[in-house]
Amino acid sequence: EAQVTQNPRYLITVTGKKLTVTCSQNMNHEYMSWYRQDPGLGLRQIYYSMNVEVTDKGDVPEGYKVSRKEKRNFPLILESPSPNQTSLYFCASRGGLYVTQYFGPGTRLTVL
Amino acid sequence: SQKIEQNSEALNIQEGKTATLTCNYTNYSPAYLQWYRQDPGRGPVFLLLIRENEKEKRKERLKVTFDTTLKQSLFHITASQPADSATYLCALEGDSGGYQKVTFGIGTKLQVIP
Repeated sequence: EAQVTQNPRYLITVTGKKLTVTCSQNMNHEYMSWYRQDPGLGLRQIYYSMNVEVTDKGDVPEGYKVSRKEKRNFPLILESPSPNQTSLYFCASRGGLYVTQYFGPGTRLTVL
Repeated sequence: SQKIEQNSEALNIQEGKTATLTCNYTNYSPAYLQWYRQDPGRGPVFLLLIRENEKEKRKERLKVTFDTTLKQSLFHITASQPADSATYLCALEGDSGGYQKVTFGIGTKLQVIP
C-alpha cells in the first residue's frame, strides 16, 4: 500500500530538548515536504526536498532542520524546541510536479 | 506577498444541493492549483489539480474551475452528501511562487445537513 508514515504521532516535550520527527514514503517519490498546521493560519510549508541531498526552505523554516540522505526518508529536526513550535506537523511526498501529493497522518507536537 | 482567501470559515448546505467553495488569490501567478479534503485530525487528501491553461476539470461529483483573470478557483460538489462534510483546502504552486513552494489557503469547512 502506497503511504507516507510519520513517527511519533503524538509527542509532548519540554523547551530546549532536541527531537526528531521521522517521515518515510514507500512510493519512490523524489519530492518531499514538511508542513505545520495551526488554527487560523492553515498549512504552511517548512522545508522541501527535490531529491537526495537537495533541500530548500519553505515559508517558515526558522527553528527547524531537515536532511535527505535517502530517497525514502525526510526527518524533521528541532534542535531546541520552543512553545511556539507546538503544532500539528505533516510530511508529504509526490513523484513530480503536477501530480498528486500524498500526506502522512500527522504528528501532534506539544512543547511545554 | 502572495495571499490566498477561501470563502467563509464554514458553509452549511442541505443534502442533495450543490456546494460551491471559492478560492481567491492575490500577488500570485500560479502554474496550477489543487484542491484537498481534510478530515479532523487527519492529513489532507488530494482531490483535483487544474493547470493555468485549463478552464475546468471534473471528477465524478466534483468540478473545479480556474479563472486566471479573476484570480479565482471555484470548487463544486454536486448532489452533496453528509459524507462530504469536511474541510476543503486549495493550494497554489509554481510560476511566480516558485516550484515546490506550495501555498495553502486556510480552508472552508463544509457541513452537509441531512
